[in-house]
Amino acid sequence: GAVVSQHPSRVICKSGTSVKIECRSLDFQATTMFWYRQFPKQSLMLMATSNEGSKATYEQGVEKDKFLINHASLTLSTLTVTSAHPEDSSFYICSARDSRLGTQYFGPGTRLLVL
Amino acid sequence: GQQVMQIPQYQHVQEGEDFTTYCNSSTTLSNIQWYKQRPGGHPVFLIQLVKSGEVKKQKRLTFQFGEAKKNSSLHITATQTTDVGTYFCWGGSQGNLIFGKGTKLSVKP
Repeated sequence: GAVVSQHPSRVICKSGTSVKIECRSLDFQATTMFWYRQFPKQSLMLMATSNEGSKATYEQGVEKDKFLINHASLTLSTLTVTSAHPEDSSFYICSARDSRLGTQYFGPGTRLLVL
Repeated sequence: GQQVMQIPQYQHVQEGEDFTTYCNSSTTLSNIQWYKQRPGGHPVFLIQLVKSGEVKKQKRLTFQFGEAKKNSSLHITATQTTDVGTYFCWGGSQGNLIFGKGTKLSVKP
């Protein structure tokens, strides 16, 4: 079946550094990918919609300069957390929408810990 | 590794019939959340269960968390066409988040 991968699965970084998270659709093309964030024991929150070949659409309250999204190909979207701070520590999940079928598949998530 | 099995993968019901989806984890969960995703939409948070044996109700929806905190179920009584969508469970375990692949529910009027 369709698979979405995320890399890395876990990352620990120092405050002030930038972290890049990759989201790949492995056996289908995804014109649209989504990035979510989940704080411990809280519900999933949509951060932005990533569209291949165009700028991402950010949800209200999400800083686009802090969370850089690039959707360079039909199978890859990246989220870069710039100048990370401890409050950015969270679980980041991507999902990819199959361009042909319209079905959305979730990645396994990336756990970010900023020290 | 840690995983959550969600069954069934698909369920087709006649409007008015009941529906149940199950999540079974290989490890003990600290909490479990349920989401509903309509076709073309984003997951919408339904509920979180934390306590062993917990049962919560939301109108026609009943959520249970097993005594061992390794399984959970979502039961819908007398389904309606508005219940159509994919229901996901997400479990927290040892700082990780593990989730089922979802049960896609279709309801025939």
